[in-house]
Amino acid sequence: DSGVTQTPKHLITATGQRVTLRCSPRSGDLSVYWYQQSLDQGLQFLIHYYNGEERAKGNILERFSAQQFPDLHSELNLSSLELGDSALYFCASSVGNAGELFFGEGSRLTVL
Amino acid sequence: EDKVVQSPLSLVVHEGDTVTLNCSYEVTNFRSLLWYKQEKKAPTFLFMLTSSGIEKKSGRLSSILDKKELFSILNITATQTGDSAVYLCAPRKDFGNEKLTFGTGTRLTIIP
Repeated sequence: DSGVTQTPKHLITATGQRVTLRCSPRSGDLSVYWYQQSLDQGLQFLIHYYNGEERAKGNILERFSAQQFPDLHSELNLSSLELGDSALYFCASSVGNAGELFFGEGSRLTVL
Repeated sequence: EDKVVQSPLSLVVHEGDTVTLNCSYEVTNFRSLLWYKQEKKAPTFLFMLTSSGIEKKSGRLSSILDKKELFSILNITATQTGDSAVYLCAPRKDFGNEKLTFGTGTRLTIIP
């Protein structure tokens, strides 16, 4: 158990819908990273937050948005869902930038 | 644009063999390099390398970083079927621009 909690574990929804994925980082970790992993693909960096502030963005679609709250949990919002958004979404946390990342078990999103 | 290239993409060996996985990178403001193992679910941390030429070891796994030539290798000796996984590397950057990009990984398959 990495200490990073992601909910929900599985989510099935329809095209055009909106979903919210939630991540609770390890206690004390200020950094949260979001990654998308499609079937047999690598980890695609989406976005990084540090202590509530957005620090870096990857190739995150405009339909996707994220935020990190004062209690340091983070949410990834995916809207106007398309079939191609079906993937495993990972959240990872670290103390800052000096240590390793700890990954949650992921949220598997299926868009039908 | 940051680049991370892992080779080979795929490797199939027999149990007991030794393997060497490669990770080359081109990133600005390099700080450290992370190695992860991904089986069916979340990536699990293996090593963090910060200094050139200093080998890190954990059991049958070892890794070394060359900051001059911008690459790292991960060695696994006396491979076992439990080593079958995708191995991922990611260079970390200095604080302020933490677009943490993973390589596409090397898929290692160990045949009994």
